[in-house]
Amino acid sequence: DAGVTQSPTHLIKTRGQHVTLRCSPISGHKSVSWYQQVLGQGPQFIFQYYEKEERGRGNFPDRFSARQFPNYSSELNVNALLLGDSALYLCASSSLPLAGPQGELFFGEGSRLTVL
Amino acid sequence: AQSVTQLGSHVSVSEGALVLLRCNYSSSVPPYLFWYVQYPNQGLQLLLKYTSAATLVKGINGFEAEFKKSETSFHLTKPSAHMSDAAEYFCAVSSIQGAQKLVFGQGTRLTINP
Repeated sequence: DAGVTQSPTHLIKTRGQHVTLRCSPISGHKSVSWYQQVLGQGPQFIFQYYEKEERGRGNFPDRFSARQFPNYSSELNVNALLLGDSALYLCASSSLPLAGPQGELFFGEGSRLTVL
Repeated sequence: AQSVTQLGSHVSVSEGALVLLRCNYSSSVPPYLFWYVQYPNQGLQLLLKYTSAATLVKGINGFEAEFKKSETSFHLTKPSAHMSDAAEYFCAVSSIQGAQKLVFGQGTRLTINP
């Protein structure tokens, strides 16, 4: 079975540009979460979507937005890119909306964004 | 608010030696606790999780962790290190009441010396 897939794997943008990152969850999973991992740090929560509704939002500016489609895939959009947005963006899927005994997160390999 | 502190950004042990990675958490509600491993250029893989069923949790690859409420700790151990254990390890906390949001520590890079 395919795991969580993310695209693109690597991309380079310049300051001020816009970027769209894509994520396909594990088949049957209805929850998708996005995390930002800056080099040398732990991942930071950006968004969670479950059944196409936003269930949680981290402390990120409005330049960051996301959505989930009817097939449960998701996009993360970042506008007006800054140098500090350079990071590994991780997508995770789960079968349940909440963390718990069965609510395991399965992570993709990430999209590495470099902003010049 | 929840937080995680991992003591030691780098830990180095010899092959066959005990591995101990430290994690302390802060949470105002009963927590769920997790350890993840990240190999170079890869995503995160769940090693083990504490969800209040048992305080000693066994995970994959011979790792285990013990939840100690009095010490607010969830340290990760492995009796005998293997070269393949070299990776970045992250401790994370999530609230029973919250959304599926994990708060991660800064990570500990484990190096195994031959």
